[in-house]
Amino acid sequence: ETGVTQTPRHLVMGMTNKKSLKCEQHLGHNAMYWYKQSAKKPLELMFVYSLEERVENNSVPSRFSPECPNSSHLFLHLHTLQPEDSALYLCASSQDRGGRYEQYFGPGTRLTVT
Amino acid sequence: EDQVTQSPEALRLQEGESSSLNCSYTVSGLRGLFWYRQDPGKGPEFLFTLYSAGEEKEKERLKATLTKKESFLHITAPKPEDSATYLCAVQAGGGQNFVFGPGTRLSVLP
Repeated sequence: ETGVTQTPRHLVMGMTNKKSLKCEQHLGHNAMYWYKQSAKKPLELMFVYSLEERVENNSVPSRFSPECPNSSHLFLHLHTLQPEDSALYLCASSQDRGGRYEQYFGPGTRLTVT
Repeated sequence: EDQVTQSPEALRLQEGESSSLNCSYTVSGLRGLFWYRQDPGKGPEFLFTLYSAGEEKEKERLKATLTKKESFLHITAPKPEDSATYLCAVQAGGGQNFVFGPGTRLSVLP
């Protein structure tokens, strides 16, 4: 595996389900990110982890819960979602180069909430 | 509030017809400006990072430039395979806060 991988690629879940999205980076980076991409809207940064500690949380509802067990893996735990949460969820990673970051993205998980 | 706008929203070019995409930004303390390419159903692909006004980067038919208020992505003699959505993003302030623009959807017709 190379780059940033995400599983599953597609997910359909009911509003009462609990599911998790997984991201793995094979680039040796020390920061990881979750983004939401909805139709007709710019990418929205949800969470940032740097050296496995959460450093940004952009007012995301508590029904989204991130987890970063190590620098290579990132999870997004989902529970009691709403239909408006249907979107493409993208994971990215980067290396801290003196406060400068270039993010590399995975292919995304297409989430549909029914 | 940090903001990024992109124009035009969509652009159709004939193969070989050069043009430019615009990214305008209003941020407090620009740390970096990024260009990405995104194909349908895929994640964004990193193209360039620009850090200071006057900087330029080139890759094949693409050239990115940066001023204090905007960035341009120049596409020279485009080919149909250059068709994609081009995203601009900025890193502002001292943290890892990235703000993306809405993108420009480019179509290059053979």
